[in-house]
Amino acid sequence: ILNVEQSPQSLHVQEGDSTNFTCSFPSSNFYALHWYRWETAKSPEALFVMTLNGDEKKKGRISATLNTKEGYSYLYIKGSQPEDSATYLCAFLNSNDYKLSFGAGTTVTVRA
Amino acid sequence: KAGVTQTPRYLIKTRGQQVTLSCSPISGHRSVSWYQQTPGQGLQFLFEYFSETQRNKGNFPGRFSGRQFSNSRSEMNVSTLELGDSALYLCASSLGASGIQETQYFGPGTRLLVL
Repeated sequence: ILNVEQSPQSLHVQEGDSTNFTCSFPSSNFYALHWYRWETAKSPEALFVMTLNGDEKKKGRISATLNTKEGYSYLYIKGSQPEDSATYLCAFLNSNDYKLSFGAGTTVTVRA
Repeated sequence: KAGVTQTPRYLIKTRGQQVTLSCSPISGHRSVSWYQQTPGQGLQFLFEYFSETQRNKGNFPGRFSGRQFSNSRSEMNVSTLELGDSALYLCASSLGASGIQETQYFGPGTRLLVL
């Protein structure tokens, strides 16, 4: 079982503030890193699939960076809005067996 | 375009029974993956299917099995249910042969309760 860790486990953000959180994964046998947003009572929604070291991806106010050499990815939310409240999951795909290993998620609550 | 659909949405079974869950991918998607989500273990990969072939399997006992049909619809089966099988079962589809290496689209899940 590969160790994919997300921190913090949860965070509260004031509306309009920016925030970021981390996904750590093994630095060897990297193939891809996925980010998902999972809102309560909905299906997980794909945000990004990242494959290259140094990759930066952006979707609206959400962006992510990737460092495969040191084994981490940051997800940033700029100008948080209440609709950003969700659990953000990362998933590491390794090149050994091509199985996805998920982190436990970071639950973001945006206060109006 | 319709999203990924899963049936049933909720299910209650008793220990020892078996259960079959169904997943219909987005039209045109050929890869289907299954996941189990429990409070204690988080989201865990079960299997991946492409063109009716299981391409990958997670670390689950043989009681968990699945299949994919020629129209890409997939089913998973759990035999001899245990209390610990109570979970949300999600399926996801993706467009091509790269399967879980590319963007996946998740269904709403089937919530299984084993009594």
